[in-house]
Amino acid sequence: GQQVMQIPQYQHVQEGEDFTTYCNSSTTLSNIQWYKQRPGGHPVFLIQLVKSGEVKKQKRLTFQFGEAKKNSSLHITATQTTDVGTYFCAGPGYSGAGSYQLTFGKGTKLSVIP
Amino acid sequence: SAVISQKPSRDICQRGTSLTIQCQVDSQVTMMFWYRQQPGQSLTLIATANQGSEATYESGFVIDKFPISRPNLTFSTLTVSNMSPEDSSIYLCSVVGQGGGYTFGSGTRLTVV
Repeated sequence: GQQVMQIPQYQHVQEGEDFTTYCNSSTTLSNIQWYKQRPGGHPVFLIQLVKSGEVKKQKRLTFQFGEAKKNSSLHITATQTTDVGTYFCAGPGYSGAGSYQLTFGKGTKLSVIP
Repeated sequence: SAVISQKPSRDICQRGTSLTIQCQVDSQVTMMFWYRQQPGQSLTLIATANQGSEATYESGFVIDKFPISRPNLTFSTLTVSNMSPEDSSIYLCSVVGQGGGYTFGSGTRLTVV
């Protein structure tokens, strides 16, 4: 089945440093989505990328979708303590049971040292 | 986008008992998804619930252990049956929102003792 791999698993940065998490799929994706989960919270949808080579920005966050639509990255410039949480990428596909589903990466847990 | 009310938010249960988790959506949706998130882990799809038909379960999850109801287009329940400590997890319902992103309920943090 489809696999979505995400690295690194953990990242500790000093406040003000940049942060990047990478996502790779075993198959070509029609789109890729990114979510943020704050400690003790639930995943919150950040963005969806659809086009090959697409780049989207949300303030200090920059999202990229690879040309082959098999990889993606999230880059945060000048991290702040409010960026703390786990960032998940997710790609759509069909499960073994035939259901449409999102397959989530394992996530990157970001800690920001003030 | 849709707003989901999920309850209970947390519970501590004795092994061998069952817990029913409810999700209410503020709009009609075709599919509702139930996920499990074990401590410090990613999200794993348990089943997809469509109104008017039986839920579709993913590999490793069975109806006897996780019965699901979907009586209408705004509501669903997931029951965790005959619980053991291995069932301690966060359980999340979700729906597809505008733009294709998923909206999640706030989650049910289950501890089985």
